[in-house]
Amino acid sequence: GDSVTQMEGPVTLSEEAFLTINCTYTATGYPSLFWYVQYPGEGLQLLLKATKADDKGSNKGFEATYRKETTSFHLEKGSVQVSDSAVYFCALNAPSGTYKYIFGTGTRLKVLA
Amino acid sequence: NAGVTQTPKFQVLKTGQSMTLQCAQDMNHEYMSWYRQDPGMGLRLIHYSVGAGITDQGEVPNGYNVSRSTTEDFPLRLLSAAPSQTSVYFCASSKGHNNEQFFGPGTRLTVL
Repeated sequence: GDSVTQMEGPVTLSEEAFLTINCTYTATGYPSLFWYVQYPGEGLQLLLKATKADDKGSNKGFEATYRKETTSFHLEKGSVQVSDSAVYFCALNAPSGTYKYIFGTGTRLKVLA
Repeated sequence: NAGVTQTPKFQVLKTGQSMTLQCAQDMNHEYMSWYRQDPGMGLRLIHYSVGAGITDQGEVPNGYNVSRSTTEDFPLRLLSAAPSQTSVYFCASSKGHNNEQFFGPGTRLTVL
């Protein structure tokens, strides 16, 4: 079945460091791919998304590119801030006909000043 | 716009008790879902709905019931609570199949 695998956390970085959080997926067809972020005590909120191969989603300095050949959707940011400390979830939504989102286990990011 | 609201915020139950977690949205979204979040397991889909009167099972539906009589409301019922249902529960809604999901603030449930 469909699945999402994320790198284990926690990830601890200094402010202004480069961030990569790896995400790979298994799915039939062409799913839509998402990154959600969860700040402490809150629900998830969408960070970015991509709906077809080679699409690049971007928001707030974060980027991720839909790579069909490697079934990956890695999250990157060039210079992290303390305010980026949160848990990041990679997710997919299967092609039309279903409405079943599959989430990864989440990666906790801690940015130190 | 209140977005997605959930009540209660916290709940403690004894094994065997029943209760309903409430979820409402005011964005006229057709799609709504319930998830549970457990440490190391991410979010797992319990039930979802693609419109009033239409519901379907997700990955972990056992022990939970849902109904969708209106577009706005999507309550989740625990029939006979078990310690394994101790978790944080999130409700979400979206406009369409590939659209952004909007999440509520969550309900932290403890079953003793």
